Amino acid sequence: AQSVTQPDIHITVSEGASLELRCNYSYGATPYLFWYVQSPGQGLQLLLKYFSGDTLVQGIKGFEAEFKRSQSSFNLRKPSVHWSDAAEYFCAVGAGTASKLTFGTGTRLQVTL
Amino acid sequence: DTAVSQTPKYLVTQMGNDKSIKCEQNLGHDTMYWYKQDSKKFLKIMFSYNNKELIINETVPNRFSPKSPDKAHLNLHINSLELGDSAVYFCASSLDREQYFGPGTRLTVT
Repeated sequence: AQSVTQPDIHITVSEGASLELRCNYSYGATPYLFWYVQSPGQGLQLLLKYFSGDTLVQGIKGFEAEFKRSQSSFNLRKPSVHWSDAAEYFCAVGAGTASKLTFGTGTRLQVTL
Repeated sequence: DTAVSQTPKYLVTQMGNDKSIKCEQNLGHDTMYWYKQDSKKFLKIMFSYNNKELIINETVPNRFSPKSPDKAHLNLHINSLELGDSAVYFCASSLDREQYFGPGTRLTVT
């Protein structure tokens, strides 16, 4: 069975500081990995995805993530956080086309000015 | 230009009532999903339809019944609502591996 762990429930960073959100997955085959962002009262927006190939993937809003198979990780990074990045971030793993996504419990990002 | 839309956005109802949530996507996707997000923000798959055929049915009470009249629509009907059904319900759709989510329907059962 697939599973996702996001060890950090809540992270606070200062605006302009760098950010790294951790994600570890468990899946028997090649995983399809995703990061979604949910702003308060909103739906989920896809930030980036990894299917295969280059292990460093770029997404929207200046985010990137690195897939490390040896560590079963897919951490999300941003070099300089903006106040508008404050939101809930979810890592998810999928098995393929038309398969369910299994989500982590989310990390709430707070940005201080 | 909404890609995945849900109605209603908010739904407040009493225990024992029956309610429906509607979802429509204009992306031309073949697969649609229902996810439930509980009060702790945990997201879990409920159902999935591919070309109007049920392909995923997780452990969900049979009070929940999805219906897909065509591949652009996936509705969720809930009978005999219980307090524990209070949650945000998200519809999603996909053509390949990426899923696109609707804005959610916040259901409150009193």
